[in-house]
Amino acid sequence: AQSVTQLGSHVSVSEGALVLLRCNYSSSVPPYLFWYVQYPNQGLQLLLKYTSAATLVKGINGFEAEFKKSETSFHLTKPSAHMSDAAEYFCALYTGGFKTIFGAGTRLFVKA
Amino acid sequence: DGGITQSPKYLFRKEGQNVTLSCEQNLNHDAMYWYRQDPGQGLRLIYYSQIVNDFQKGDIAEGYSVSREKKESFPLTVTSAQKNPTAFYLCASSTLGQVNTGELFFGEGSRLTVL
Repeated sequence: AQSVTQLGSHVSVSEGALVLLRCNYSSSVPPYLFWYVQYPNQGLQLLLKYTSAATLVKGINGFEAEFKKSETSFHLTKPSAHMSDAAEYFCALYTGGFKTIFGAGTRLFVKA
Repeated sequence: DGGITQSPKYLFRKEGQNVTLSCEQNLNHDAMYWYRQDPGQGLRLIYYSQIVNDFQKGDIAEGYSVSREKKESFPLTVTSAQKNPTAFYLCASSTLGQVNTGELFFGEGSRLTVL
């Protein structure tokens, strides 16, 4: 069965510190993987996606993620956090058809 | 600009009332979706549609109904049979076929509160 697990429902970092949001997946077929960001009372916006090309994927706002098949992971990183990065982040898995599986989300807090 | 428009943004309902949430897209996407979001639970699929006049139940369809009379429109009705309707509802769309990588395009959401 396909699944997505985001480790940590809340992550807090200081402004300027490294951001690391963890995502592990389970899939019996090659996956497409996504990170979406959601600001309060808004919809989700695509940050980046892995679609079986380069394993290191760069997205918007300085975020990037690395697909590691051996670890079944797709962690999201940003070298230096900014206050505007405070939001909820969702990892998602797509393996075809019409079903996308979302993780439970990780809320990122950025301290001044 | 192309995108998805949801309305209303906020909606209050008394118990026993049906309410309809609007979703319109001008991205020329074939597929449209409705998700429900509750704190700490991610997004759960209510209904989806890949073509006009056809739609399929998702994981939590009970107490909801949809229609797809036009490609651009996919309204969701939350009926009085939905036991716990207070939630944030998100409409999304995507392409179909070989170009489809599963990327979803979302509206701004509608927050429904039952009083």
